[in-house]
Amino acid sequence: GAGVSQSPRYKVAKRGQDVALRCDPISGHVSLFWYQQALGQGPEFLTYFQNEAQLDKSGLPSDRFFAERPEGSVSTLKIQRTQQEDSAVYLCASSSPAGTYNSPLHFGNGTRLTVT
Amino acid sequence: AQSVAQPEDQVNVAEGNPLTVKCTYSVSGNPYLFWYVQYPNRGLQFLLKYITGDNLVKGSYGFEAEFNKSQTSFHLKKPSALVSDSALYFCAVRPTSNTGFQKLVFGTGTRLLVSP
Repeated sequence: GAGVSQSPRYKVAKRGQDVALRCDPISGHVSLFWYQQALGQGPEFLTYFQNEAQLDKSGLPSDRFFAERPEGSVSTLKIQRTQQEDSAVYLCASSSPAGTYNSPLHFGNGTRLTVT
Repeated sequence: AQSVAQPEDQVNVAEGNPLTVKCTYSVSGNPYLFWYVQYPNRGLQFLLKYITGDNLVKGSYGFEAEFNKSQTSFHLKKPSALVSDSALYFCAVRPTSNTGFQKLVFGTGTRLLVSP
């Protein structure tokens, strides 16, 4: 596709439910990032993949959050036992060259998660 | 720790007038600085970056930014604002640690409102 695709666009979950958010990056992009954007805030880093390897997961807020990218393309962010504080927009971004500081990130439109 | 401050929650400007959106940063070593724009219900779009070299950086849609090392600032500017420039603008800095790769630290955002 032409850009980063995320699904679903909106997700409503009851507290305690598990959710899975999908990211389809730009074809051929090596680097993939997940960010969390709370209402009225800037995006905050969650995790980073280079191909299928998860090189940095320092931003994941708890062990209820889990991300994978098994074949180095599509990625899934899973949140177990959702809590109200998990309500946010989850942004996925990809970038082409590995370890290159200059390449801009290409963001998807995000998944807005609301936990009731 | 690296950080970015955007001191203005909102900037109002009339169409045709010059605009400035302020950003200051705190980082150890040389900073890599970025501006992104976010339209409603959309992901972030890259505008411009400063890596090294000329302090005045030109980017997309007629925007430019001036890197000022002594003032640790990276203000976004445009000589003549358009109504369509109305959006949320984020300044970001890349940490200089080797493990940071392209992990960006974002400011809280500044809403730009251009009136006709």
